[in-house]
Amino acid sequence: EVQLVESGGALVQPGGSLRLSCAASGFTFSTYEMNWVRQAPGKGLEWISYISGSATPIYYADSVKGRFTISRDNAKNSLYLQMNSLRAEDTAVYYCARRGRYIKAFDYWGQGTLVTVSS
Amino acid sequence: DIQLTQSPSFLSASVGDRVTITCRASQGISSYLAWHQQKPGKAPKLLIYDASTLQTGVPSRFSGSGSGTEFTLTISSLQPEDFATYYCQQVNSYPPFTFGPGTKVDIK
Repeated sequence: EVQLVESGGALVQPGGSLRLSCAASGFTFSTYEMNWVRQAPGKGLEWISYISGSATPIYYADSVKGRFTISRDNAKNSLYLQMNSLRAEDTAVYYCARRGRYIKAFDYWGQGTLVTVSS
Repeated sequence: DIQLTQSPSFLSASVGDRVTITCRASQGISSYLAWHQQKPGKAPKLLIYDASTLQTGVPSRFSGSGSGTEFTLTISSLQPEDFATYYCQQVNSYPPFTFGPGTKVDIK
């Protein structure tokens, strides 16, 4: 069974940093493209970052470019999001999502982890 | 970047109703459109990919159609568990992987 479990969400002050993790199981992690998607309270879904199975290429949404860094450790079946220079508008539930190998859509999602940026 | 719009943004319907949601892309995306369902407090769930292919385990009352710039999601007979927010997403031209703004389906 495919499982994606995010962790690392917390309350952080503006300008602070946080690292999110996504533990994957039930599939060959290294062969799948992965993404981070966020959802601000009461708002819609916003894609923020993509990483291929080999970690190249990597893409970011303009809203996080230069502040967030996506990475993966295929040996640990884990996806990460390093978030720096956090702003109030980064407050959201952050989901990791797998992109299917043959289904090009995002076919599995984690349960999400809440990041709150506030003083 | 490709923009997606959805209509309506909110829909009030009764159990048993036929419901149709439209997603329009700012430029052609072939059939590379997905539909996700999200219930309150839960993660999104893939319903349909490639515009019209049902994800494994999704009830057959859900269907999708369209190509190019106009797409529809239809629920043939709305069930209590279908009250949720539905998002379209394009996966043709990226980055970014754009989502539509969502359509909330509520109980009349």
